[in-house]
Amino acid sequence: NAGVTQTPKFRILKIGQSMTLQCTQDMNHNYMYWYRQDPGMGLKLIYYSVGAGITDKGEVPNGYNVSRSTTEDFPLRLELAAPSQTSVYFCASSPRAGLAGGPSYNEQFFGPGTRLTVL
Amino acid sequence: GDSVTQMEGPVTLSEEAFLTINCTYTATGYPSLFWYVQYPGEGLQLLLKATKADDKGSNKGFEATYRKETTSFHLEKGSVQVSDSAVYFCALAYSGAGSYQLTFGKGTKLSVIP
Repeated sequence: NAGVTQTPKFRILKIGQSMTLQCTQDMNHNYMYWYRQDPGMGLKLIYYSVGAGITDKGEVPNGYNVSRSTTEDFPLRLELAAPSQTSVYFCASSPRAGLAGGPSYNEQFFGPGTRLTVL
Repeated sequence: GDSVTQMEGPVTLSEEAFLTINCTYTATGYPSLFWYVQYPGEGLQLLLKATKADDKGSNKGFEATYRKETTSFHLEKGSVQVSDSAVYFCALAYSGAGSYQLTFGKGTKLSVIP
């Protein structure tokens, strides 16, 4: 299993350009997430998805869009890049909850990240 | 809302020193608690977890105990190695029928020198 893969690893954009960050997981996980990590800060959730066709906003969704047409893929779209979007972006996935009455905890599996610079 | 507070870094230790990274949380319910580790140039990976009060999570020589009375989940290791140099994140999440969103602390960078 490759786990969670992200492309590209690095990208430099000009203000106003658009791009899509790709994320794919091969673990058949239901849940997928996009985070951004700014220097010296923890991760902030941008969007998440609980299954194909279902997405929802996280803490910092402005300036981003997502879609989830398949279980495996969860691309993140930046329509009009701004310097404030300079960050490292991580995609993650996690399996559905355990059975009723059993342990139920969240281990998220992270991709290696995409370093994006907007100039 | 829920939040996680970690001790400020960076932390620099000599090899074989004792490590403690403090983590406290504020939560409305009874979350599960996690420590994630991020090695240079990589994504985060789960280090250990605890799902209820008084549980102790452990992995790779690291330990943390879920203390409900002090709302803490401090990370400890008795003897650190150079290979432990990384950024450590404390996090919480609620389990249930809904989503599994993690709330992260800001991270603590650890550097271990030979």
